[in-house]
Amino acid sequence: AQSVTQLGSHVSVSEGALVLLRCNYSSSVPPYLFWYVQYPNQGLQLLLKYTSAATLVKGINGFEAEFKKSETSFHLTKPSAHMSDAAEYFCAVSMNYGGSQGNLIFGKGTKLSVKP
Amino acid sequence: GAGVSQSPSNKVTEKGKDVELRCDPISGHTALYWYRQSLGQGLEFLIYFQGNSAPDKSGLPSDRFSAERTGGSVSTLTIQRTQQEDSAVYLCASSLDANTEAFFGQGTRLTVV
Repeated sequence: AQSVTQLGSHVSVSEGALVLLRCNYSSSVPPYLFWYVQYPNQGLQLLLKYTSAATLVKGINGFEAEFKKSETSFHLTKPSAHMSDAAEYFCAVSMNYGGSQGNLIFGKGTKLSVKP
Repeated sequence: GAGVSQSPSNKVTEKGKDVELRCDPISGHTALYWYRQSLGQGLEFLIYFQGNSAPDKSGLPSDRFSAERTGGSVSTLTIQRTQQEDSAVYLCASSLDANTEAFFGQGTRLTVV
């Protein structure tokens, strides 16, 4: 069965510092992996996704993530944090091989705070 | 429409009452999903529609929960005899088809008192 673990429910960085949000997955089939962002009182917005093409995936707002099969990881990074990056970030894995990008299993989320 | 629309945005109901939550997907999107977001459980998948049929309703927590979709468009999630543990934000998402990106609505915050 598929599952997702996000290490750290809260991460705090200074503005301009590296952002690293960790995600490990467990999947019995080749996974599709996603990172979503949720701003306060908003729905989820897709940041980026891995669907078995390039292992380094670039997303919106300067974020990127690297799929590492040997480590079963899909960590999210951004070289330089901005105040507007403060939000909650969710890693997710598709329930089904090769498809549905809406049937997802989500991690518990990581709240990112950015200090001036 | 421009995005996934959910109504109401907030709902307060008394324990034991029935509630209906509505989702208007993006026009032309054939796939529709319901999720529940709560403090204790995080984001949980509830049900998936392809057109008007629900090939996966494995996430519905009990038989008090049901959902339908009509005309391949609007979907309604119904919770009967609400309990306090049903308090959560209910999120709806839609996608062009099952193999493309899902877009989420802003959710309905349900509070059962």
